[in-house]
Amino acid sequence: DSGVTQTPKHLITATGQRVTLRCSPRSGDLSVYWYQQSLDQGLQFLIQYYNGEERAKGNILERFSAQQFPDLHSELNLSSLELGDSALYFCASSLQGVTGELFFGEGSRLTVL
Amino acid sequence: GENVEQHPSTLSVQEGDSAVIKCTYSDSASNYFPWYKQELGKGPQLIIDIRSNVGEKKDQRIAVTLNKTAKHFSLHITETQPEDSAVYFCAASGTGRRALTFGSGTRLQVQP
Repeated sequence: DSGVTQTPKHLITATGQRVTLRCSPRSGDLSVYWYQQSLDQGLQFLIQYYNGEERAKGNILERFSAQQFPDLHSELNLSSLELGDSALYFCASSLQGVTGELFFGEGSRLTVL
Repeated sequence: GENVEQHPSTLSVQEGDSAVIKCTYSDSASNYFPWYKQELGKGPQLIIDIRSNVGEKKDQRIAVTLNKTAKHFSLHITETQPEDSAVYFCAASGTGRRALTFGSGTRLQVQP
């Protein structure tokens, strides 16, 4: 158990809809990262937050947004969903930043029909 | 930005044999190179990492080597066991860069 909690574990929705994925980082970790893993693909970095503020942006679509709340949990919002958005979405947290260990949750599997 | 290439995409070995996975990176400023293992249905987990001031690091049956001149690093697993079967990802990052860039992954299967 990494200590990172993601909900929901599975989500099925239709094209055009909007979903919210939630992540609770490990106790004490200030950084939260969101990654997308499509079928048989690597991990694509979406966005990072540190103590409530956005720190880095990767290949995140404009239809996607995220935030980190004062209690340090984070939410990833995906809107106007397309079939190609079907993927595993991972949240990770760290204490040191990217040059230290990232602790990943078990992911939220999104299926867009 | 950083680009990390990983080979092979799949690797099948007999139990007890060694396995080697190789990665190359593009940004000479990168100085941190972790390896993650992802088991089925789980998130990736760090198994070993190396920083640019070190050429090799070993932890029991796992070792990582780094060649900064050639910009490549490798994961070596000796005496493989069925529980080593998983997807392995290499990654690279540098100071000032706030995200890890991952390779595309290697699916390792250890045949009993």
